[in-house]
Amino acid sequence: NAGVTQTPKFRILKIGQSMTLQCTQDMNHNYMYWYRQDPGMGLKLIYYSVGAGITDKGEVPNGYNVSRSTTEDFPLRLELAAPSQTSVYFCASSLNSGRAYNEQFFGPGTRLTVL
Amino acid sequence: AQTVTQSQPEMSVQEAETVTLSCTYDTSESDYYLFWYKQPPSRQMILVIRQEAYKQQNATENRFSVNFQKAAKSFSLKISDSQLGDAAMYFCAYRHGTSGTYKYIFGTGTRLKVLA
Repeated sequence: NAGVTQTPKFRILKIGQSMTLQCTQDMNHNYMYWYRQDPGMGLKLIYYSVGAGITDKGEVPNGYNVSRSTTEDFPLRLELAAPSQTSVYFCASSLNSGRAYNEQFFGPGTRLTVL
Repeated sequence: AQTVTQSQPEMSVQEAETVTLSCTYDTSESDYYLFWYKQPPSRQMILVIRQEAYKQQNATENRFSVNFQKAAKSFSLKISDSQLGDAAMYFCAYRHGTSGTYKYIFGTGTRLKVLA
């Protein structure tokens, strides 16, 4: 049971480049989330998904896109990278069903630098 | 909208001593969940403890316990017998409990230093 995995661990992009951050979970969780964490700050929600085919914006969605074609995968797409997107990105999942298993499980994070 | 506030950006504690980290939240709901997560230098987010608002009893996990004051909307974390491995960022988080879309709201974190 690998939990939540993210790739890559580190990436440097040039301004204007695009990339996809991969996230996979093997716990059959219905909810998946993408957060960014700027230095010394808490987590800000970018996008989330309540199940395959259903996604919605969080508080900081501009410059990002997501898709969820399967329960397991929730990739985050950065188009036209900007220095303001330099951050650590976390993917998380949770099984929100009644009163059980409602904590989030996090991936190890991706440190992205845009120069 | 719900908010989570951690008013202590940084705390220090001597090894083997006890420290309490503060968290307050604002909500109009009566059914919700509260969490404390630990983020060590490795960046991995680790669940420390969870509290369901409908339970009056404070949650406890080994050396970690909470003081949940629902009326005051306060959710503090007490770490007893502090160890060097407890040094980390600690985040308080809120999730509402009713049906609908479940989003988690995080505080800005408290950095805990453990002094040998």
